[in-house]
Amino acid sequence: ETGVTQSPTHLIKTRGQQVTLRCSSQSGHNTVSWYQQALGQGPQFIFQYYREEENGRGNFPPRFSGLQFPNYSSELNVNALELDDSALYLCASSPWGLGYEQYFGPGTRLTVT
Amino acid sequence: GDSVTQMEGPVTLSEEAFLTINCTYTATGYPSLFWYVQYPGEGLQLLLKATKADDKGSNKGFEATYRKETTSFHLEKGSVQVSDSAVYFCALKGFQKLVFGTGTRLLVSP
Repeated sequence: ETGVTQSPTHLIKTRGQQVTLRCSSQSGHNTVSWYQQALGQGPQFIFQYYREEENGRGNFPPRFSGLQFPNYSSELNVNALELDDSALYLCASSPWGLGYEQYFGPGTRLTVT
Repeated sequence: GDSVTQMEGPVTLSEEAFLTINCTYTATGYPSLFWYVQYPGEGLQLLLKATKADDKGSNKGFEATYRKETTSFHLEKGSVQVSDSAVYFCALKGFQKLVFGTGTRLLVSP
């Protein structure tokens, strides 16, 4: 069984640029959630995708957007990067429904200079 | 809204000492509760979970009991090892998203 994978591992961007992060969900999982983890903090929920549609969003501006594909993989896009966007971005997959645990990928470390 | 409060770290222990990391939560409804562990430079690994009141989650010698009356889910281990050094996150989940505490760093020395 393949776990959650993310790419790239590390990324350095300049303020104002755009970035795309990718996530492949664990086999059998149809729901993908994205989290932002700033240094020394707990992860913060960005949004969740189910059936290729956004299904809930945390307190993040519209320049954070995403996609989910028919194979349940997902992308996180961030436009107009700001220095505060520097963080570890975590993708988690799970089955849809109450009580299921989310399984996390290794994350993408984004640095904005 | 929902929230999780963890004891601040770092928690520094000698090998074979007893570990407690406190976690309390505020939530509407009946969330599931989790402990995740994060090793340096890595993502989050699920350590244990409990889905209803009085459930005890356990894994790798770690335990936590879902206490609805005190809204707590404290993590315990009877004898820590150096390899347990990591950051531990308490989290709750309603229907959709996980809400995390700020994490507690555990440092275990030989």
